[in-house]
Amino acid sequence: GAVVSQHPSWVICKSGTSVKIECRSLDFQATTMFWYRQFPKQSLMLMATSNEGSKATYEQGVEKDKFLINHASLTLSTLTVTSAHPEDSSFYICSALNPGQGAETQYFGPGTRLLVL
Amino acid sequence: AQSVAQPEDQVNVAEGNPLTVKCTYSVSGNPYLFWYVQYPNRGLQFLLKYITGDNLVKGSYGFEAEFNKSQTSFHLKKPSALVSDSALYFCAVRDIGNQFYFGTGTSLTVIP
Repeated sequence: GAVVSQHPSWVICKSGTSVKIECRSLDFQATTMFWYRQFPKQSLMLMATSNEGSKATYEQGVEKDKFLINHASLTLSTLTVTSAHPEDSSFYICSALNPGQGAETQYFGPGTRLLVL
Repeated sequence: AQSVAQPEDQVNVAEGNPLTVKCTYSVSGNPYLFWYVQYPNRGLQFLLKYITGDNLVKGSYGFEAEFNKSQTSFHLKKPSALVSDSALYFCAVRDIGNQFYFGTGTSLTVIP
């Protein structure tokens, strides 16, 4: 299969703190991972594309210094929400391309729900 | 501009009846087409994809989709709906530049 995990599944934090979310490909090596944000009853908003060993490519309107992405290994990408504020509360989902299956299909993690108080 | 449209926000169908969730796209070149399902508070699960070949593709949980190039559509279908099929369904397209585009999602409710 192509399993992607995320940790934590949910997190509550105080305003001003930083939160790190991990995305792991469990049974394949992913050179490319994606980070999305999803608001209630809405589609996915691509935040950035994370490539192993290089800087992430951010979508227009996404603050690089606010949402730090690190893809240091072929199985792990992290998203750090720095100095989180209530408006950052959302559902964050990562996905990965599986090169073993032609790298054309994204496999998604279960998501992380962030609540900033 | 590249885009994916899911014209129906909500689809209701009785259990046992056939279901269709619509998707049309506007992408240059020959696209890769995908359907994903999302259950509450969960990530997206891959259902099926069309890359090339037979226009009718079969996927997980008895779902299938038909690629129609002339109508630029990729509607998701299932012959007999189950209550457990109730979820949010997303259509996605990958263009020749390897960019992914997602539709806005269609909420499917299967009524017992």
